[in-house]
Amino acid sequence: QVQLVQSGAELKKPGASMKVSCKASGYTFTDYYVHWVRQAPGQGPEWMGWINPITADTNYAPKFRGRVTITRDTSINTAYMELSSLTSDDTALYFCTILDFGESYWGQGTLVTVSS
Amino acid sequence: DIVMTQTPLSLSVRPGQSASISCTSTQSLRQSDGKTYFYWLRQKPGQSPHLLIYDVSSRFSGVPDRFSGRGSGTDFTLKISRVEAEDAAIYYCMQTIQLPPTFGQGTRLE
Repeated sequence: QVQLVQSGAELKKPGASMKVSCKASGYTFTDYYVHWVRQAPGQGPEWMGWINPITADTNYAPKFRGRVTITRDTSINTAYMELSSLTSDDTALYFCTILDFGESYWGQGTLVTVSS
Repeated sequence: DIVMTQTPLSLSVRPGQSASISCTSTQSLRQSDGKTYFYWLRQKPGQSPHLLIYDVSSRFSGVPDRFSGRGSGTDFTLKISRVEAEDAAIYYCMQTIQLPPTFGQGTRLE
């Protein structure tokens, strides 16, 4: 079955960067775009961007453009999301997810806390 | 961006009763290919969201038939029949017809 397994929780200081990994299994990695979505405490999900695992093309939400970088390593079926210049507003659960028509699979989430 | 608006934001029902959640979008989610890029997701406490319904009314694999979706274009409804205690969660509608994918505010079912 499709599984997306993310890296563990992180505590970051303001101004730092974070990088979350998402290892895919149970399907051909290049079959689906990998999206990243975050969820601030008590809030609904918010889309950040996606990567085409075949071409490495990316598309980012305007809100995060310039701060977010999504990459992938097809040799180990893993996608990454890096967010820079962190502030307390970036404290959230970060999810990798597949959002294809008729298909939606989510990683378990990675809690990133930004605090001095 | 397409705005997804859910009502109600909170719902309390007794086990065995039915629950209905509505979601409206600011533009049609039906594509020329006949597909409607509208989904219902459920997020239980401490878990990631899981797909319940896609294409308005198609249940995802393993989703019991107590969950049903209807609607078209811009107005959609999720109905949960014979609610069980395990259905306590936040329910989100979502669209993926246009970037960015957007979500409703969520409806907390108690």
